[in-house]
Amino acid sequence: DTEVTQTPKHLVMGMTNKKSLKCEQHMGHRAMYWYKQKAKKPPELMFVYSYEKLSINESVPSRFSPECPNSSLLNLHLHALQPEDSALYLCASSLLAGGVTDTQYFGPGTRLTVL
Amino acid sequence: GENVEQHPSTLSVQEGDSAVIKCTYSDSASNYFPWYKQELGKRPQLIIDIRSNVGEKKDQRIAVTLNKTAKHFSLHITETQPEDSAVYFCAVMEYGNKLVFGAGTILRVKS
Repeated sequence: DTEVTQTPKHLVMGMTNKKSLKCEQHMGHRAMYWYKQKAKKPPELMFVYSYEKLSINESVPSRFSPECPNSSLLNLHLHALQPEDSALYLCASSLLAGGVTDTQYFGPGTRLTVL
Repeated sequence: GENVEQHPSTLSVQEGDSAVIKCTYSDSASNYFPWYKQELGKRPQLIIDIRSNVGEKKDQRIAVTLNKTAKHFSLHITETQPEDSAVYFCAVMEYGNKLVFGAGTILRVKS
């Protein structure tokens, strides 16, 4: 398996809902990332996991809660979101971690709409 | 933190012509510079990257040049084809594997 996969592809949720986004990679990559991309804008980094530990949190509101249960899986738990949180959420992974420069490969994203 | 500026924001070329997109960055310590192509509704896909110990890198019709002194790098696409139409993002890697992206360039190749 040479790709990053994400589920679901699309998600519509109300402001009181709790939902989760899932990202998987089976390439043995040791760093995983969450990005948020608004329409016609570049991806913006949210979180970095390095060796399954959270290494960077870009001052993301607590209504977004990341989790890395194992080296292949990354979740993003969503709770009490606002309509402005509607965006494409991209997961990425890279082979090397711990601050070592390495190529990041992106998943297809989850298109999130908050009503 | 790193500041990345990308120009132009839109670029229209005739099929077969060349396209050039330029990015400047602020942190002289940055040493990894990837370019991503994103088609509508798709994931960003790495098309080429360059590290600071190299001045130029080519892959078929795509090349990237890096000027570390001037802190700018450019994407060159030759013999453009309609399937090259997409949004192109440059990026610069900060410490901690943090990618900072440019604002993007919409490339339209007219046939």
